[in-house]
Amino acid sequence: QKEVEQDPGPLSVPEGAIVSLNCTYSNSAFQYFMWYRQYSRKGPELLMYTYSSGNKEDGRFTAQVDKSSKYISLFIRDSQPSDSATYLCAIGETTDSWGKLQFGAGTQVVVTP
Amino acid sequence: DGGITQSPKYLFRKEGQNVTLSCEQNLNHDAMYWYRQDPGQGLRLIYYSQIVNDFQKGDIAEGYSVSREKKESFPLTVTSAQKNPTAFYLCASSEGQGLMNTEAFFGQGTRLTVV
Repeated sequence: QKEVEQDPGPLSVPEGAIVSLNCTYSNSAFQYFMWYRQYSRKGPELLMYTYSSGNKEDGRFTAQVDKSSKYISLFIRDSQPSDSATYLCAIGETTDSWGKLQFGAGTQVVVTP
Repeated sequence: DGGITQSPKYLFRKEGQNVTLSCEQNLNHDAMYWYRQDPGQGLRLIYYSQIVNDFQKGDIAEGYSVSREKKESFPLTVTSAQKNPTAFYLCASSEGQGLMNTEAFFGQGTRLTVV
């Protein structure tokens, strides 16, 4: 069983809708949670990161962590065609190095005009 | 412009051939990483280097080799021992090794195809 599970999609939504993405994980020691956005044939770029549990908001993006359920979410409000990309979650322990991060497989999102 | 440059963007390899993927960074980062990305799978760590002249194997190092002779450069060689090398390869760097208070930056990737 993978340590991080993520639905590969594709997830297709109309422009202006809310995009809801999630990952589940198995290691209760994970405390560092990140979301990356990756456009086609490009490298990932960091969107959001949260430490421990709770919510974090940045513009149209909201990241949520539910440690009791081992479940993290990313919400994109007022989605735009430019949000069409693959979204990767990445999870690690506080004491981990970047080399020890566990990545989800990524969810492909398509926002249609 | 600070960043990570990977070259080439596309690379074709014949069976039994070694190829080297280039990764250069001008961010003055100590740590550098190589990942492999396959459809339906998350990024998997091949090798990482915390400092010049030092590197460690990641989860899938077999069939790959690296060197770290200069701080800014971390080339990856895909050898003929790698049986399934077709993939998207990503290089990354970070100022420190820890997750707290530091960020890893990725290059734009090299797509390697065996022909």
